[in-house]
Amino acid sequence: HLQLQESGPGLVKSSETLSLTCAVSGGSLVTSSYYWAWIRQTPGEGLELIGNIYHTGSTYYNPSLASRVTISIDTSKNHFSLKLTSVTAADTAVYYCATAAVDLYSYIDVWGKGATVTVSS
Amino acid sequence: DIQMTQSPSSLSASVGDTVTITCRASHTVTNYLNWYQQKPGTTPTVLIYGTSILQSGVPSRFSGSGIGTDFSLTISGLQPEDFATYYCQQTYGSPWTFGRGTRVEIE
Repeated sequence: HLQLQESGPGLVKSSETLSLTCAVSGGSLVTSSYYWAWIRQTPGEGLELIGNIYHTGSTYYNPSLASRVTISIDTSKNHFSLKLTSVTAADTAVYYCATAAVDLYSYIDVWGKGATVTVSS
Repeated sequence: DIQMTQSPSSLSASVGDTVTITCRASHTVTNYLNWYQQKPGTTPTVLIYGTSILQSGVPSRFSGSGIGTDFSLTISGLQPEDFATYYCQQTYGSPWTFGRGTRVEIE
């Protein structure tokens, strides 16, 4: 079955770029059946969709983060990635990669275990 | 963005109780409303999608209802494993948005 695993630095300096990668196993990224998403969770703001990508490379970004976010996909490595520029303490969060079925009623059905990222000054 | 407001933010209950959590959307989401359960140190898991469709493997004591802007999740006969935080999510408008969560604690 599909499994996702985030990787990347756990500590990022303020004003720098946060970079995370999500390795997909148990299935292929090249499928019309799923969106591939990044979601973050903080105690204060709760769960927030950062954006998602389709296997064609088509992306959607949350407007609140769109000016700083890039999500990309590498089908040869079966992984997708997140870059968030100009980070501040407000970007400290647990970052999840996740997948949602392309269906009438979409929902997040597979989550990575989460990567805790702390932004330091 | 469509804002999702859950109430209460937390509640205390006993095993066997029936509890109801509500979720209100700032604009209609028709029936594109999901419910997730999250236990400490784990990721959320979907319980209900499309307002009332029970995810495979989820016990029938969980049920969802509502339409438009007002929704509810009911747990009939609370079990020890149900003590967790519950989130609603709308997938009608972009971006998908979540409620802030309702923590269900042991009384």
